[in-house]
Amino acid sequence: KQEVTQIPAALSVPEGENLVLNCSFTDSAIYNLQWFRQDPGKGLTSLLLIQSSQREQTSGRLNASLDKSSGRSTLYIAASQPGDSATYLCAVSSNNAGNMLTFGGGTRLMVKP
Amino acid sequence: EPEVTQTPSHQVTQMGQEVILRCVPISNHLYFYWYRQILGQKVEFLVSFYNNEISEKSEIFDDQFSVERPDGSNFTLKIRSTKLEDSAMYFCASSEQGMNIQYFGAGTRLSVL
Repeated sequence: KQEVTQIPAALSVPEGENLVLNCSFTDSAIYNLQWFRQDPGKGLTSLLLIQSSQREQTSGRLNASLDKSSGRSTLYIAASQPGDSATYLCAVSSNNAGNMLTFGGGTRLMVKP
Repeated sequence: EPEVTQTPSHQVTQMGQEVILRCVPISNHLYFYWYRQILGQKVEFLVSFYNNEISEKSEIFDDQFSVERPDGSNFTLKIRSTKLEDSAMYFCASSEQGMNIQYFGAGTRLSVL
């Protein structure tokens, strides 16, 4: 059964800092990996999707990498801003589990002005 | 920008009552999903739906749950006899194809008293 873990669970950084969020998964037979942002009491906003054949994806200040063989992904946020404060979730779609996403517990990020 | 719409945003019900949570997926999407997030826990997959039938379901999705696409636009989740432990945020999602980005609605907070 696929398990997804995110560390750290919470992170507080000063504005302007570059930061890395980590995601690991136990079964490397994934189809894709998706990073989401969740604001308190709100839904999930898709940030980036990396297919299993890709190594990274970039969108603005965000860069997500994937090392499928080691079961790891990182989300790099450059020049963090207070507006980046949210919970970041990673989720994987496994080859043997159809379309379902298995989520990690998230990293709660606080960017202080 | 197209979005997934969920109603109501908050539903309060008595234990044992039936509830129907409603979702309007993005119009050209073919795959539909329900997830739930109990307060403080991970987002969990419930069910996926394609071509008017369930394609995947988790062990959470037992006989008290059902899904329906009653017309060309709505996608509903019914809980027949709610329990206290059904209290959670329920998210609807849709994707254009099975392994594409899943777009999530803002969620329905279900409170079972």
